[in-house]
Amino acid sequence: QSVLTQPPSASGTPGQRVTISCSGSSSNIGSNTVNWYQQLPGTPPKLLIYNNNQRPSGVPDRFSGSKSGTSASLAISGLQSEDEADYYCAAWDDSLNGYVFGTGTKVTVL
Amino acid sequence: EVQLVESGGGLVQPGGSLRLSCAASGFTFSSYEMNWVRQAPGKGLEWVSYISSSGDTIYYADSVKGRFTISRDNAKNSLYLQMNSLRAEDTALYYCARDILGSGGYYYYYMDVWGKGTTVTVSS
Repeated sequence: QSVLTQPPSASGTPGQRVTISCSGSSSNIGSNTVNWYQQLPGTPPKLLIYNNNQRPSGVPDRFSGSKSGTSASLAISGLQSEDEADYYCAAWDDSLNGYVFGTGTKVTVL
Repeated sequence: EVQLVESGGGLVQPGGSLRLSCAASGFTFSSYEMNWVRQAPGKGLEWVSYISSSGDTIYYADSVKGRFTISRDNAKNSLYLQMNSLRAEDTALYYCARDILGSGGYYYYYMDVWGKGTTVTVSS
């Protein structure tokens, strides 16, 4: 079961900025860093953001992450059609001794 | 090229067993922790299990504890998931994923490389 809460959907027109929230608790986001994954249809998840706000090489700087307390957010600026995908937040949970994922947010480009 | 390739999925009856494998290449497998993550059809991601680089530290999700066993063979660059007493709710695409432990005054964890997955269907 998902322990981190995300909105089920988000949308925007090309060029707009979209923000996705991720809410957790003291045992996960409150104690550890947050990662974000992008999953295009029919493909495995791809690491988008790690350590709250770090981008792996190759990820455009349109994607940015932040964390405050027990919540985190992912922002996509200059939205493009290829950004249409499912996005998941994730963090290590010290109580469960394992990773917990968010419920997932489907981003639609209108 | 860093690559993870899962295999071993298939159709199995409830109560049955299956062993998944994950073949790693392009990196020093023995130096990395590894995970299994699954995704039920049309659903979100669910972490299943973690194993340290040496295999001496293992964690499981409550949903599989006592039924699944993770293991690795560093000499064969392979990760495994033995799944017993399978249930319909175990039906999913199973991914193996490489784990990274970073540090910079504090520790941080993330999964950076994922395989394409292998499908497990539990049905009579």
